Amino acid sequence: GAGVSQSPSNKVTEKGKDVELRCDPISGHTALYWYRQSLGQGLEFLIYFQGNSAPDKSGLPSDRFSAERTGGSVSTLTIQRTQQEDSAVYLCASSSQTGVWETQYFGPGTRLLVL
Amino acid sequence: QQQVKQSPQSLIVQKGGISIINCAYENTAFDYFPWYQQFPGKGPALLIAIRPDVSEKKEGRFTISFNKSAKQFSLHIMDSQPGDSATYFCAAYNQGGKLIFGQGTELSVKP
Repeated sequence: GAGVSQSPSNKVTEKGKDVELRCDPISGHTALYWYRQSLGQGLEFLIYFQGNSAPDKSGLPSDRFSAERTGGSVSTLTIQRTQQEDSAVYLCASSSQTGVWETQYFGPGTRLLVL
Repeated sequence: QQQVKQSPQSLIVQKGGISIINCAYENTAFDYFPWYQQFPGKGPALLIAIRPDVSEKKEGRFTISFNKSAKQFSLHIMDSQPGDSATYFCAAYNQGGKLIFGQGTELSVKP
């Protein structure tokens, strides 16, 4: 079946512009996660959604970052007034539910470059 | 407390050799320890995982060794192959529903 898809695959923007990154999780998966992967770094947790519960936003680095998930499916990560330090790969993952042993399935990521 | 420390950052192994990647954690509440494998241009994919009530788990050429008292766990890749060249991440599950990832190890297996 289809895996997690993300769009765009690459995004180049100018400092100060807003960007929107999209994630389509695996159908039926109730949990959705966003991570950031900077060059040579591990995966930094940003936010996760579980069903209709309030999202855990504890990993968002600043108030320029926000995310929403519509209809329990597609999610959009928005970065306002982008800065050069926002350049990274943004990864989305989904799982069938939040809990121990639930495998997170990752998309290929969106590579963001802020000039 | 929430960190997972991974070493080495990079590793070069000859084909047929054993690759060993180590991770350490502080938070004793972690109770699930997966390893993810990431190829260039792709997202990470689950490779193998272990619970803290067992000391070892083996799947094919991949083995996790877990030392609960030392709060350490490691990935061993036996008979390493060039196709194993990838970045490997250890992780630990936080009861809050989040995976905490290590910094990653870039493995290169030379033919």
